[in-house]
Amino acid sequence: DAGVIQSPRHEVTEMGQEVTLRCKPISGHNSLFWYRQTMMRGLELLIYFNNNVPIDDSGMPEDRFSAKMPNASFSTLKIQPSEPRDSAVYFCASSKGERGPGANVLTFGAGSRLTVL
Amino acid sequence: AQKVTQAQTEISVVEKEDVTLDCVYETRDTTYYLFWYKQPPSGELVFLIRRNSFDEQNEISGRYSWNFQKSTSSFNFTITASQVVDSAVYFCALSEDSTDKLIFGTGTRLQVFP
Repeated sequence: DAGVIQSPRHEVTEMGQEVTLRCKPISGHNSLFWYRQTMMRGLELLIYFNNNVPIDDSGMPEDRFSAKMPNASFSTLKIQPSEPRDSAVYFCASSKGERGPGANVLTFGAGSRLTVL
Repeated sequence: AQKVTQAQTEISVVEKEDVTLDCVYETRDTTYYLFWYKQPPSGELVFLIRRNSFDEQNEISGRYSWNFQKSTSSFNFTITASQVVDSAVYFCALSEDSTDKLIFGTGTRLQVFP
């Protein structure tokens, strides 16, 4: 299995530009998560989907952030307009959901490192 | 509200020493799950172990062992005879029965010197 695939791995952009991060979960996994990692705040859950439906988006910082999952094999996290404080590593993870809520193991992608100048 | 505390920000040891990483959690649920993940210098997050709240048996996997104590709300991780390859950031995490939302601690950076 190829694992969770994220692109791009690195993105450098200027303040005000739109950024789109992409994620392909593991085939057969029905839950998908977007996390952000910064030195100041650690690993934060931004949003998660179950069967392509957003379940909890309480971690999305503000309206500049949006996430979509149009089908079971693809998700995007968009930031528009980007700001320097959005600089972070963004991780996508997926889980199979074969156990009850809470018990499922998340498999993480390699992350997308975003730098906003 | 759920919370995970990893009080040790950074630990340095010399190879072959034993080291214990502490994790204390808070939750109101009676059913919950605890996890440890490893983040090596390459940056990816690697799953190590999952434990549910009803299983207090300690677990050993090679040089790794985990001590789960509900009485003290702790889920500590011990590496025996540490190796340089164990150098990484280790995260403890918690999820409750009602959601797949995984709450992470702030992580402990372990440096193992030769």
